[in-house]
Amino acid sequence: RKEVEQDPGPFNVPEGATVAFNCTYSNSASQSFFWYRQDCRKEPKLLMSVYSSGNEDGRFTAQLNRASQYISLLIRDSKLSDSATYLCVVNLMNRDDKIIFGKGTRLHILP
Amino acid sequence: DTAVSQTPKYLVTQMGNDKSIKCEQNLGHDTMYWYKQDSKKFLKIMFSYNNKELIINETVPNRFSPKSPDKAHLNLHINSLELGDSAVYFCASSHRDGNTIYFGEGSWLTVV
Repeated sequence: RKEVEQDPGPFNVPEGATVAFNCTYSNSASQSFFWYRQDCRKEPKLLMSVYSSGNEDGRFTAQLNRASQYISLLIRDSKLSDSATYLCVVNLMNRDDKIIFGKGTRLHILP
Repeated sequence: DTAVSQTPKYLVTQMGNDKSIKCEQNLGHDTMYWYKQDSKKFLKIMFSYNNKELIINETVPNRFSPKSPDKAHLNLHINSLELGDSAVYFCASSHRDGNTIYFGEGSWLTVV
């Protein structure tokens, strides 16, 4: 099983729809989790952290399921500007400070 | 004010050449990284430095040599460039805990 696994997509979603994607991780000792966003030909940027209790930031909701070892990202009322690649990131926070990036899920919002 | 800056942004060079990419961060972070993103868009860590000390050295050919003169700088030198080295190289930095990584804009390396 890969350390961090995501469906590469692309997800083609009409504007205004709700879209969700998951990310699974293999190391149960993983401590912290994040979603990053990467636009075409740009650098990745932090979208949001993922907390055990779940957290929301505007139209974005992130959830963590430690028992099943996955995190999810839900985008409501999607906008054209949400088109990007969403990277799942897992931080083992161990001695090696290993931070693992998933390969990303491509999202296209269609007008 | 650019938080993580790397130069050059674009680099086209011939096989066999030696090249360097420079990176500087003004965020006061202790940890700096080099990531490689290949044509399949997979972002893979190459090196991690904390306070100028090498922490992570993933399986990277020894043609790649990072150098950290101080904790605000982490340069990447590549010897004997090969076609397969063509990729985008991202410099990044964070606090020691690795939460919130700030990336530079990337250096697009093309080896011909």
